[in-house]
Amino acid sequence: DGGITQSPKYLFRKEGQNVTLSCEQNLNHDAMYWYRQDPGQGLRLIYYSQIVNDFQKGDIAEGYSVSREKKESFPLTVTSAQKNPTAFYLCASSMLLGRGSYEQYFGPGTRLTVT
Amino acid sequence: AQKITQTQPGMFVQEKEAVTLDCTYDTSDQSYGLFWYKQPSSGEMIFLIYQGSYDEQNATEGRYSLNFQKARKSANLVISASQLGDSAMYFCAMRPRGGSNYKLTFGKGTLLTVNP
Repeated sequence: DGGITQSPKYLFRKEGQNVTLSCEQNLNHDAMYWYRQDPGQGLRLIYYSQIVNDFQKGDIAEGYSVSREKKESFPLTVTSAQKNPTAFYLCASSMLLGRGSYEQYFGPGTRLTVT
Repeated sequence: AQKITQTQPGMFVQEKEAVTLDCTYDTSDQSYGLFWYKQPSSGEMIFLIYQGSYDEQNATEGRYSLNFQKARKSANLVISASQLGDSAMYFCAMRPRGGSNYKLTFGKGTLLTVNP
């Protein structure tokens, strides 16, 4: 089955540690995205990538880093510089913009807790 | 800049009845797309329906329909014949069409509860 996998579902870290969240897709989508969701809030874009080895900052990129070495993979690192890292993180992918809706497909999410 | 407003933090509906979830938007783009997503308690976002700004007819997908009023800048989601499984958060979102702007802007969501 085609889809997006994120692992792990729950992640716990101590303050001051970097942590990397995994995102893999087998939909052959060109674009991939990382969002953050806080309780009672909508999604906010952290980073997105349109093509391998290229990515752009979203609205809240500070304290995060990404890489896109393969089309299928777009890992997100939450660094110790992120002041409030505890949140629900969602990865998504889509075809590139053009005609049609090109909706974003989402993974199941990773709930990160930093204490 | 784009902005999505969902004014209903929570809504209740009886099973088998229809419900409308409100969404208004603001954009300076001439061409744009509007989306609705469902987020169950499990957390994943499920795409429901899409409306292009130049589509002449309102979008429909099964029990979901989008009441698109361009002049009012509203894109309300109508769920007919509500089911218990429809209980979830619902998010309205939009993005420009064309160009290199891929960003989806989301509203804060509406929590729908379907009562038996």
